[in-house]
Amino acid sequence: KAGVTQTPRYLIKTRGQQVTLSCSPISGHRSVSWYQQTPGQGLQFLFEYFSETQRNKGNFPGRFSGRQFSNSRSEMNVSTLELGDSALYLCASSLVRENTEAFFGQGTRLTVV
Amino acid sequence: QKEVEQNSGPLSVPEGAIASLNCTYSDRGSQSFFWYRQYSGKSPELIMSIYSNGDKEDGRFTAQLNKASQYVSLLIRDSQPSDSATYLCAVNPVRKLTFGGGTRVLVKP
Repeated sequence: KAGVTQTPRYLIKTRGQQVTLSCSPISGHRSVSWYQQTPGQGLQFLFEYFSETQRNKGNFPGRFSGRQFSNSRSEMNVSTLELGDSALYLCASSLVRENTEAFFGQGTRLTVV
Repeated sequence: QKEVEQNSGPLSVPEGAIASLNCTYSDRGSQSFFWYRQYSGKSPELIMSIYSNGDKEDGRFTAQLNKASQYVSLLIRDSQPSDSATYLCAVNPVRKLTFGGGTRVLVKP
């Protein structure tokens, strides 16, 4: 069974630009969550999607947004990039049931210059 | 108070010894608890999940949960150099994982 796939693996963007990251969950998994990981703040929850609906959102500014498609694939978008947005962005998928195990993709390393 | 707290380490353990990692959480409504292992530059890998009080063993790993005291622990028996990594405790109140800062473990040959 294929794992969670995130693309691209690495990105370099300039301040003020926007970026879109993609995540394909494990087959059969319908919940997709996004996390940001930085050395200073650790792993922080961004948002969670299920059946194309955002069910939960973390404490991030509105520049961070996401969506989920009918095939459960998800994208997240960051607009007006800031230097502080440089981080490892991780996607995790889990089965539809709440509180079940979440499996992470390899992440997208975003560098904002 | 942080929602999930872990000692950042490093926890230095001789090869073959037992590594003991602890995690405390603040939300009493939390129902599920997880341990992830993360190697430098890699993404977190799920190694244990536990949902009820008591011990759960999987190979060299044992997770322990005490909801009354709001702590979760992970024991790594017969530690190997390949166990050197950061171990993240995660708690799931509802639909989102809340992570501790991680404990860095260093297994010395």
